[in-house]
Order: sequence, then structure tokens, then C-alpha cells
Amino acid sequence: EADIYQTPRYLVIGTGKKITLECSQTMGHDKMYWYQQDPGMELHLIHYSYGVNSTEKGDLSSESTVSRIRTEHFPLTLESARPSHTSQYLCASSDHNYGYTFGSGTRLTVV
Amino acid sequence: AQSVAQPEDQVNVAEGNPLTVKCTYSVSGNPYLFWYVQYPNRGLQFLLKYITGDNLVKGSYGFEAEFNKSQTSFHLKKPSALVSDSALYFCAVRDSNAGNNRKLIWGLGTSLAVNP
Repeated sequence: EADIYQTPRYLVIGTGKKITLECSQTMGHDKMYWYQQDPGMELHLIHYSYGVNSTEKGDLSSESTVSRIRTEHFPLTLESARPSHTSQYLCASSDHNYGYTFGSGTRLTVV
Repeated sequence: AQSVAQPEDQVNVAEGNPLTVKCTYSVSGNPYLFWYVQYPNRGLQFLLKYITGDNLVKGSYGFEAEFNKSQTSFHLKKPSALVSDSALYFCAVRDSNAGNNRKLIWGLGTSLAVNP
């Protein structure tokens, strides 16, 4: 079944650690997105990609980086996690002009 | 510039009563409009969309929305609310004339609480 997967679902990590949040989709969508969302709050676009080897920063400045080496894979990396990075991270993909499909999210806590 | 407004942070409704969650938008061209729902600790789930055609759009879980071009609105409605409808609802828009700017513009979200 076509879907979008995020791992891990929950992550608690110490300050200064390097982390990578995984996002993969099986729908063949060209466009992929990363959003940051605090609980019950608005969505903030932090990165997006319109295809392989294409990545752009979003509306909210983020210390994270992304890569798009394969169509189906769009990982997000934090080189040195800080408590201010504690949030939920949502990955989404889309095709053409229509809506997005979201993963279940990764809830990150940096202690 | 594209924008979306959800004027209510929270909507409270009694179970069995009709519910409305409001959304207005601003785009330069024709709008593509969407509603999503988010349950606690989950990603967003697609509810319905308006691209073209009938102004009344029916979606998942008994929800519907009416596109009103003159009022630039796309309010989400349900005739009879369920406690399980309690969640965070997001409206989003994309301008059909956006060209290479294919991102959705999101509202801030409305928290719906359905009381038993």
C-alpha cells in the first residue's frame, strides 16, 4: 500500500548528539516537505524538495539540514541537538497540484 | 500574496449538534482548497479538497465544505458532531496561478472540542 513512513516515532536524546529523522514514501511523489510543529500549534515549513538533488529552506529558519538523493527518501539531520529543537517533526509528500500526504510524525525531545 | 485565516482558535459544540469550522483565504488566481484533521500525537489526515466543480464538497467521516467565491470562504461543516471529532483542524490553500510555487499555505488551526 502506498504510504509515507517516518522513523522513529519518538526520540529522546541528549544535548549535542547528532540525529537523523527518516522519511520515506512509496508513492513516487516528486515533492516532499518537512514541518516543525509544537503540540497543538501551527505548522512551520522548515525544508522542502521538488525532486532529486533539489532542496530548499522553508519559511522558518532551522539549524537542520536535509538531503534528497533518492525520490522516495528525504531525511532530516541535526548535527548537534539542543533543547530548543524539542518539537514534533512532520514529513509530507505531494504530486502535481493536489494535497499532501503526511507521515505520523517524529516527536523529538532533547534533554 | 496567498494567505489563509482560521478566525477561531477553538470551537466548542455539543455532541449531536451541527458544527462549523471557518476558513477564509486570499489568492490572486483560482484557489485549490483543503481541510486536514490532526488527532493528538499524529500527523495530519486529509479530509477533503476543492479543486473545481461543485461548490459543495463531501469528504471523510461525514464532513463537507462549501466553497464560496464571493466571500472567499471554505467553511468545514458536519450535520451532527461526534465526541470522536474532537481534534485540531487545518485549512490550506494553493493558488492555481502559483506556477513553480507549489507549496500549500496553512491556516493556524482550529481546535474542535465536542462535548458529550
